[in-house]
Amino acid sequence: DAGVTQSPTHLIKTRGQQVTLRCSPKSGHDTVSWYQQALGQGPQFIFQYYEEEERQRGNFPDRFSGHQFPNYSSELNVNALLLGDSALYLCASSPAQNYGYTFGSGTRLTVV
Amino acid sequence: AQKITQTQPGMFVQEKEAVTLDCTYDTSDPSYGLFWYKQPSSGEMIFLIYQGSYDQQNATEGRYSLNFQKARKSANLVISASQLGDSAMYFCAMRELHGSGNTGKLIFGQGTTLQVKP
Repeated sequence: DAGVTQSPTHLIKTRGQQVTLRCSPKSGHDTVSWYQQALGQGPQFIFQYYEEEERQRGNFPDRFSGHQFPNYSSELNVNALLLGDSALYLCASSPAQNYGYTFGSGTRLTVV
Repeated sequence: AQKITQTQPGMFVQEKEAVTLDCTYDTSDPSYGLFWYKQPSSGEMIFLIYQGSYDQQNATEGRYSLNFQKARKSANLVISASQLGDSAMYFCAMRELHGSGNTGKLIFGQGTTLQVKP
């Protein structure tokens, strides 16, 4: 049974560009959350998607947006990239009404 | 606001010995969940152990146990018989409930780097 799959694993972008990160949840999970983890820090919650809608959002600007598809997979989009957006982006899936979060290995984004 | 505090940036332990990683939390919500995750250099967050706020007994999972002291708002992780493969970053996290039927977000601490010496 596959866990959470994230793509790509690594990405280098130039300041001002746009990026799309992808996440396929664990089988049976319908809720997807995205986290940003700067080097040496704990992950920070970006937003959560359930039933194709954004249900919760952390303290991130509108440059960060997302989408959830009918098959529960999700995308994270970041526009107008800043150097400070360089981080590990983690996707976590969970079944509704259950604390069983499963994390992917993340996408390491470098903005130059 | 809910907050997780991990005061040990780095810890060393000798192989086969036990080690305790500290975690304190702050919340006004009577219902919450506490987690510990291990993050090796590969980046994936690996779930270790969970403690619910109403659980009467401390959680245990193999070599991992959680020393839950509700009045002190602490949830320390104890790793017994440390192994070289335990070297990693360890995060304490709290689940913030949101709405009905929603999983809620996780609030993480800053993490503790554990190094196991042979």
